Formats: sequence, C-alpha cells, structure tokens
Amino acid sequence: GENVEQHPSTLSVQEGDSAVIKCTYSDSASNYFPWYKQELGKGPQLIIDIRSNVGEKKDQRIAVTLNKTAKHFSLHITETQPEDSAVYFCAVYGQNFVFGPGTRLSALP
Amino acid sequence: NAGVTQTPKFQVLKTGQSMTLQCAQDMNHEYMSWYRQDPGMGLRLIHYSVGAGITDQGEVPNGYNVSRSTTEDFPLRLLSAAPSQTSVYFCASSYSTGRYNEQFFGPGTRLTVL
Repeated sequence: GENVEQHPSTLSVQEGDSAVIKCTYSDSASNYFPWYKQELGKGPQLIIDIRSNVGEKKDQRIAVTLNKTAKHFSLHITETQPEDSAVYFCAVYGQNFVFGPGTRLSALP
Repeated sequence: NAGVTQTPKFQVLKTGQSMTLQCAQDMNHEYMSWYRQDPGMGLRLIHYSVGAGITDQGEVPNGYNVSRSTTEDFPLRLLSAAPSQTSVYFCASSYSTGRYNEQFFGPGTRLTVL
C-alpha cells in the first residue's frame, strides 16, 4: 500500500522567516496531494492542495510544489506568523487518503 | 451550517465495554469517513462510506463497525473495547469521493480504554 513520509517532525522558525515541510510517497498512481493544518484541540483543516497535473500552486503566503518524477511534494510558508503555529499533515490520495505523520511548526517571536 | 459534529468529546471505557461514537453532517455530503489519530502516526482510515447504505473498510478496520442508514449520520461502533483503541477519533465528510474534494473534519472524540 501507499507509504507517506514527512519531514521534519518538528520545525521552529523565527517570525517572518520561511518554513518548508516535505513529504514523499511511494505509489506513482496517486494523483491528489492536500495539506492540512491542525490547531490544538481541533480537527484538521485543508489549507492547500495540488493535483498531479500541476507543478506548483500558491495561495497568499502558502504554496505547494509537486515533483511527480521524484514522488515528493512540499509545503512552503513565507513570512511565518504566530498564527501559523500548528501541526501540519500532508496527505496522498490514490485509492483512499493516506496521511503523513505530521510536522509541529512553531513560529518564534 | 453546523458542519461535522461528533459526540461525545471525551469518553473513558473499561476493557470489554462497547460504545458508539456519533458523527453527523448537515452539508448533504455523500462521502464520510472515520480516522483515528495516534501520536507520531498521522491519521489512519478506519472505515468509509460513499453514500447511504454503502460502507467499506479502510486501513485499520479491526474492532470497529459502521453503518450508514442516512446521508447525514455515520456512527462508529466499538464492539469490545481494548486498550489499543485508546486514541483520538475524527469523522470527516466531503461532497464526493475524497479525490479532489475538500474533506471537512469534526472536532474529534478522545477515547481512553482502561
């Protein structure tokens, strides 16, 4: 079955700096790659997604890039702010969703 | 719209007890699913449903049952609780199958089995 790895598991950045989280997957048939943000005590919430026929997608301060050949995709957050502190999960959809283990991001003042 | 609601928020069970985790959505979504979240393991799919009367197993279905008699409700039943089922459980729904459709998650149920 699909295997999704996510790195790093924790990430601390200074407020205003950029953050990058990377996920790799194993099934080349997977074709939809969303990113979720989970705040403490809440359910995950979709923040951005990308389909397999697109290489990059941006939405204000966040962007996702996809390299289908290498089977990895990354979340980029620019100008990190305190409200960006949360756990971020990547997911891969082939037959069903498979989630990565998560990255705890801390934006330090 | 209330979105996806889950009850209860917290539950403590003894080994061998049974219980039902409730999930409801008011968005007329066809696709609903249950996940469990354990530290360092992300979310793992337990069961899912593509419409009323249709359910299927996910990655970790053992020890859990589901049914989907209406579009709105998708309860998860633990038949005989075990300590290994201690986890946070999330219900999610989307307009259609997960592909390309945003999944909306409920607030979760934290379950402890003693």
